[in-house]
Amino acid sequence: EVQLAESGGGLVKSGESLRLSCAVSGFDFSKYSLNWVRQAPGQGLEWVSSISSSSDFIYYADSVKGRFTISRDNARQTLDLQMTKLRVDDTGLYFCARDPAGVPQYFQLWGRGTLVTVS
Amino acid sequence: SYVLTQPPSASVAPGQTARIPCGGDNIGSKSVHWYQQKPGQAPVLVVYDDNDRPSGIPERFSGSNSGNTATLTISRVEAGDEADYYCQVWHVSSDHAGVFGGGTKLTVL
Repeated sequence: EVQLAESGGGLVKSGESLRLSCAVSGFDFSKYSLNWVRQAPGQGLEWVSSISSSSDFIYYADSVKGRFTISRDNARQTLDLQMTKLRVDDTGLYFCARDPAGVPQYFQLWGRGTLVTVS
Repeated sequence: SYVLTQPPSASVAPGQTARIPCGGDNIGSKSVHWYQQKPGQAPVLVVYDDNDRPSGIPERFSGSNSGNTATLTISRVEAGDEADYYCQVWHVSSDHAGVFGGGTKLTVL
């Protein structure tokens, strides 16, 4: 079964750092582009960052550029999001999502999310 | 920056057709994707590339895209279709790449 599972969320204070991870199963990790999408409480979806299958293409939303770093390890089949200088408005549920191919297009499969709370 | 505009809410009676618009500058030149999100759940892709359906999504879900408006159409609406719906495009610019509309809450009367 194809699955994505986020971890690493928690409660932190403004200015602190947090590292999110996404573990996958059921598909060849190295062939797909991956993304982070977040959702503030009671709000809509916000795209955060994307990384192509070979890490050749990396994109960030302006709201996180310079503070967040997306990375992947195809050998270990892990996707990470290093978040620094966290702000209250970074609070939300962070989803890991897979593209249908090696470059970002749309979010074909989603994890259940991990909650980040910044106080 | 590229903006996608959706009405915050829409309502439809069971058995009728719901149409949810997504406005954007020359959106007809882009591929539009749609997601359904029910309370407490992760989003689910329901339409991709304007009018294709992932496996497992009922034929009642369809899309169109032309000019400045893309539309998600849900035919023969059921109570279980009540959810938030988001449109999305991939538009690389200096400050973003993935772009979501604000979402439309569909209420089944």
